[in-house]
Amino acid sequence: EVQLVESGGDSVQPGGSLRLSCAASGFTFNTYAMSWVRQAPGKGLEWVSSISGFADSTYYAQSVKGRFTISRDNSKNTLSLQMSSLRAEDTAVYYCAKEGDIVTGYSPFDYWGQGTLVTVSS
Amino acid sequence: DIQMTQSPSSLSASVGDRVTIICRASQSSSNYLNWYQQKSGKAPKLLIYAASNLQSGVPSRFSGSGSGTEFTLTISSLQPEDFATYYCQQSYSLPLTFGGGTRVEIK
Repeated sequence: EVQLVESGGDSVQPGGSLRLSCAASGFTFNTYAMSWVRQAPGKGLEWVSSISGFADSTYYAQSVKGRFTISRDNSKNTLSLQMSSLRAEDTAVYYCAKEGDIVTGYSPFDYWGQGTLVTVSS
Repeated sequence: DIQMTQSPSSLSASVGDRVTIICRASQSSSNYLNWYQQKSGKAPKLLIYAASNLQSGVPSRFSGSGSGTEFTLTISSLQPEDFATYYCQQSYSLPLTFGGGTRVEIK
């Protein structure tokens, strides 16, 4: 059974940093691209970032480029999102999502974690 | 960027009704269009991928169609557990983008 468990969400001040993690199990982790998708309170879904199975390609939404860094540790089946220079508009539930292929694009998000809440406020 | 527009943004329907949700893309996404269901406080769940393929375990009352710029999600006979918000998403090009969602409520 595929399981994705996020952690690391917290309340931080504007300009602060936070690191999210996603522990994956139930599938061969390094053969699938992984993504972060966020959802602001009461709003829709927004893709944030993706990383290929072998971590040789990374992609970012324009809204987070230069501030967020996605990474993965295939030896530990863990996906991470390092977030810096956080803004109020980054407040959201952050979901870890598995893609259907080793590279990003074309395939859907076929499994999602339960999400972790990041609140950016003074 | 490919902009995804869903209509309607919300609808009220009764158990047993046939429900249709439309998703339009600002440019062609070929058939790389996926549909998700999200219940309140829960993570999204994949229903349909590549426009018309039913994800494993999803009831057959859900179906998808379309290609290019216009896509449809149909629920043939609405069940109590189907009241939720539905999102379309294109996986054809980066940035990956979602529609604004369609909330299906009980009439």
